[in-house]
Amino acid sequence: DAGVTQSPTHLIKTRGQQVTLRCSPKSGHDTVSWYQQALGQGPQFIFQYYEEEERQRGNFPDRFSGHQFPNYSSELNVNALLLGDSALYLCASSLAGGLETQYFGPGTRLLVL
Amino acid sequence: AQTVTQSQPEMSVQEAETVTLSCTYDTSESDYYLFWYKQPPSRQMILVIRQEAYKQQNATENRFSVNFQKAAKSFSLKISDSQLGDAAMYFCACTFRTGTASKLTFGTGTRLQVTL
Repeated sequence: DAGVTQSPTHLIKTRGQQVTLRCSPKSGHDTVSWYQQALGQGPQFIFQYYEEEERQRGNFPDRFSGHQFPNYSSELNVNALLLGDSALYLCASSLAGGLETQYFGPGTRLLVL
Repeated sequence: AQTVTQSQPEMSVQEAETVTLSCTYDTSESDYYLFWYKQPPSRQMILVIRQEAYKQQNATENRFSVNFQKAAKSFSLKISDSQLGDAAMYFCACTFRTGTASKLTFGTGTRLQVTL
């Protein structure tokens, strides 16, 4: 049973560029959430997708956008990268319908130079 | 706004001993779950244990157990018979239902060192 997978594992970009991160949920899960974890901090919620729609959004600017595909996989896009966007980006999957446990992928480390 | 507070940035325990990590939270919600996640240097966030707020019985998973004090809004993690592999960052988190979604709110973490 495959767990949550994310790609790429590491990424280096320069300010102003755009980046796309990818996530495949755990088998059987239909909900994907994205979190940003700055160095030395706890993860911060970016948004959650279910049925290809954004259900909830955290306190992140519109430069952060996402998409969920019919197979439940998801992408996180960040436009006009800033140095402060350097972080570990975590994807978590869960079942819809309630306070379900979220299972995390290994994360993508993004460095913005 | 819901908040989760971990007041111990670092803790140390000797192998085979017991350690307790503290967590407090604040919410006006009545329907929520509490979690402890472990994040080793490999970065992957691993679920350690889950507690449903409506359950009075404290959750246990092998060497890991919680002390859930709902009135005090406290949720501590006890690790018994500590092993070298327990060394990691430990995050306390809560899921609060917001409409149809449920996001995790994390504390700032406690770094656990396990010594010989």
